[in-house]
Amino acid sequence: NAGVTQTPKFQVLKTGQSMTLQCAQDMNHEYMSWYRQDPGMGLRLIHYSVGAGITDQGEVPNGYNVSRSTTEDFPLRLLSAAPSQTSVYFCASSYSWATGNAGYTFGSGTRLTVV
Amino acid sequence: AQSVAQPEDQVNVAEGNPLTVKCTYSVSGNPYLFWYVQYPNRGLQFLLKYITGDNLVKGSYGFEAEFNKSQTSFHLKKPSALVSDSALYFCAVRDPRGGGATNKLIFGTGTLLAVQP
Repeated sequence: NAGVTQTPKFQVLKTGQSMTLQCAQDMNHEYMSWYRQDPGMGLRLIHYSVGAGITDQGEVPNGYNVSRSTTEDFPLRLLSAAPSQTSVYFCASSYSWATGNAGYTFGSGTRLTVV
Repeated sequence: AQSVAQPEDQVNVAEGNPLTVKCTYSVSGNPYLFWYVQYPNRGLQFLLKYITGDNLVKGSYGFEAEFNKSQTSFHLKKPSALVSDSALYFCAVRDPRGGGATNKLIFGTGTLLAVQP
């Protein structure tokens, strides 16, 4: 049981480049989300999904896109990287609240630097 | 507004002493509260949660948390700290907006716990 797998672990981008952060879970969780972690700001929600084909914006969605074509995968796309997107990104998944036991399982994170 | 506050950026405690990491919340309705721990260069790990029932909740690694509705607090505690408890601790509350269809969590800014040998 791998849990939540994030790739890559580290990435350096130039301003204006695009890339996709991958997230996959093998627990059949309905709910998946992306957070960014910045010093002194805790974790801020970027986008989330309550199931395949359903996504919605979180607190800081600008500059990011997501899709959820399968239950297992929830990629995060940076459209045109900016230095302000330098951060550590975490993917998390859980059962839906209705299912119960809705604690999150987090991936190990992607450390992104935009120069 | 729905929010979580962790008033201390850092808590220092000697090994063997009791520890408390503070958390207060502001949400509409009944709060669903969580504590997570993050070790260096790792993702967050679930420690414990309060949904309903006893105000004292027991979790992983000997941690417990006390829910106090009148003070809107959910402080994390451990009777005897270990050096290995040194980590970043996050309090979180479920965002009640959107009802049961979503499971969004609002996180505090984190408290660094440093346990000295």
